[in-house]
Amino acid sequence: DIQMTQSPSSLSASVGDRVTITCRASQTISLFLNWYQHKPGEGPKLLIYAASVLETGVPSRFSGGGSGAEFTLTISSLQPEDFATYYCQQSHSIPYSFGQGTKLEAK
Amino acid sequence: QVQLLQWGAGLLRPSETLSLTCGVYGGSFSAYFLTWIRQTPGKGLEWVGEVSHSGATNYSPSLENRVTMSVDTSKNEFSLKLSSVSAADTAVYYCARAAWVGNYYYMDVWGKGTTVTVSS
Repeated sequence: DIQMTQSPSSLSASVGDRVTITCRASQTISLFLNWYQHKPGEGPKLLIYAASVLETGVPSRFSGGGSGAEFTLTISSLQPEDFATYYCQQSHSIPYSFGQGTKLEAK
Repeated sequence: QVQLLQWGAGLLRPSETLSLTCGVYGGSFSAYFLTWIRQTPGKGLEWVGEVSHSGATNYSPSLENRVTMSVDTSKNEFSLKLSSVSAADTAVYYCARAAWVGNYYYMDVWGKGTTVTVSS
């Protein structure tokens, strides 16, 4: 199975900050990497697929990068509604594993 | 706009069978896989498996000896059964629609989740 590791596990930031979350895969996965935003009481929301493709309707302040085994999710200017937990997920091979999550909290 | 609404028993005793159903409303799912993902406090999000419109399935190897997924196209519903549950199966279970775009696969519509607790 492919292991996904995110860093940091938690992050405190302020509105307007630029924030970057890193996701590393235990083996190369090309561009088969998705990012989700998860808020309590809701299902996760797809933000980015294929490492850098923004899902329709997702604000352009979100961006994804990387390839192979190291990936990033960047929020260019944090908004109040962005405080949530973020997960990466590999879609290279079954089982489609997730990172352990990064909880983004208000400073 | 497609919505997924899920339901099923929330409290089970050890050794019982978990049974959840997810209905797809507002759109077809013939071009998609329908997946189940669970979230446990200890292991985070875990992909359980998927079923296609035609009934083809893929399961997580760690669960495949206990999991059965099925689809009822007449009702636009798909279901998860997990047998011989234990406390380790206590989790929030999500259904989600999985799309393929070229070679890329992702879950683009999610249900709100069902909390399942296994306790004697």
